[in-house]
Amino acid sequence: DIQMTQSPSTLSASVGDRVTITCRASQSISSWLAWYQQKPGKAPKLLIYKASTLQSGVPSRFSGSGSGTEFILTISSLQPDDFATYYCQQYNSYSRTFGQGTKVEIK
Amino acid sequence: EVQLVESGGVVVQPGGSLRLSCVASGFTFHDYTMHWVRQAPGKSLEWVSLITRDGGRTFYADSVKGRFTLSRDNSKDSLYLQMNSLRTEDTALYYCVKDIRLGDRGLGVFDYWGQGTLVTVSS
Repeated sequence: DIQMTQSPSTLSASVGDRVTITCRASQSISSWLAWYQQKPGKAPKLLIYKASTLQSGVPSRFSGSGSGTEFILTISSLQPDDFATYYCQQYNSYSRTFGQGTKVEIK
Repeated sequence: EVQLVESGGVVVQPGGSLRLSCVASGFTFHDYTMHWVRQAPGKSLEWVSLITRDGGRTFYADSVKGRFTLSRDNSKDSLYLQMNSLRTEDTALYYCVKDIRLGDRGLGVFDYWGQGTLVTVSS
């Protein structure tokens, strides 16, 4: 299986900060990468797929970049609603795999 | 509005069996590949299985292969996950998930999720 590794595991930030989360794949996955946001007690929500395509209805402060084995999720100006856990997920192979998650906390 | 409603999660003993169900609404169910994704308490997400739109093909994570069987009834807009030989490590919230892509082959991107049904495997 392709392993996905996110960094950092936890991130403390303030409203208005620019935030970046990194996701690395154990082998090349081209651009077959998605990002999800999950809040406590809720199901994950799709933010981005194909590394940089914003899902309909997702605010433009979220953006994604990268290809191959290294990917970045950027939140340009952190809003109160953005404090959550973020997961990357590869879909290059049938056995889809997720990263371990990055929790964005209030500083 | 797309809705996915799971049911069937209970407490079961190791070695036991369980069937989870998911009823879909708000979209043309038979046009989409469907998946189950699970999340153990306090852990990350794990893809479990997928079924193509006509039910003709299924795929499983290695961790459940040979023990879980995914099926669907398009006349009832429903998805079923038969879980046998359950282990303590199968304890998780199980989500029914819709694939983003219309057609025969799913993309493996999950655009709608149910609220999950909790399976606890414990003696």
